Amino acid sequence: DAGVIQSPRHEVTEMGQEVTLRCKPISGHNSLFWYRQTMMRGLELLIYFNNNVPIDDSGMPEDRFSAKMPNASFSTLKIQPSEPRDSAVYFCASRLQGIEAFFGQGTRLTVV
Amino acid sequence: TQLLEQSPQFLSIQEGENLTVYCNSSSVFSSLQWYRQEPGEGPVLLVTVVTGGEVKKLKRLTFQFGDARKDSSLHITAAQPGDTGLYLCAILYNQGGKLIFGQGTELSVKP
Repeated sequence: DAGVIQSPRHEVTEMGQEVTLRCKPISGHNSLFWYRQTMMRGLELLIYFNNNVPIDDSGMPEDRFSAKMPNASFSTLKIQPSEPRDSAVYFCASRLQGIEAFFGQGTRLTVV
Repeated sequence: TQLLEQSPQFLSIQEGENLTVYCNSSSVFSSLQWYRQEPGEGPVLLVTVVTGGEVKKLKRLTFQFGDARKDSSLHITAAQPGDTGLYLCAILYNQGGKLIFGQGTELSVKP
């Protein structure tokens, strides 16, 4: 298996633009997590899904952020409109219930 | 307020030295995980501890879960430059569904 695949690896966008981050979890995993990592705040959980259903989105910063998981093999995290303070590395991770979480390589987002 | 407090935040040592990093909480957990993250990569699981007082060894790394299952430590013997990275502790919260991380300890081992 290729592991968790995230795209793009790097994204530079202008303030106000829409940004869409993509994630393909490991086949057969039933939980998917979106995290944001910054020096100041560390690795923050934004939202997680079980069996494609959003379970807890309490970490989503505000309404500008949204996440979807239309099927077991794909998820998106969208920021609209983007702001400079959204600049961070965004990680997707997947897990089979009760087992370790596997992370993608992350998307480094820079909003200028 | 962080659910998991890690200390120290930063640690810079010479090759061959020993070190211990800590993960503390006021809550009791059924299990705790340690991950290591290298620059440009996502975290990778090192170990899961489940039983209070449990000790697990992974080569030069020794992990311990506190008797009360509120804290954990990671001890590295004879550190090497390859040990450099961010060490994160994590717990499964909310009936095992939600994976929450501490802020991490940034370790730098100089040759």
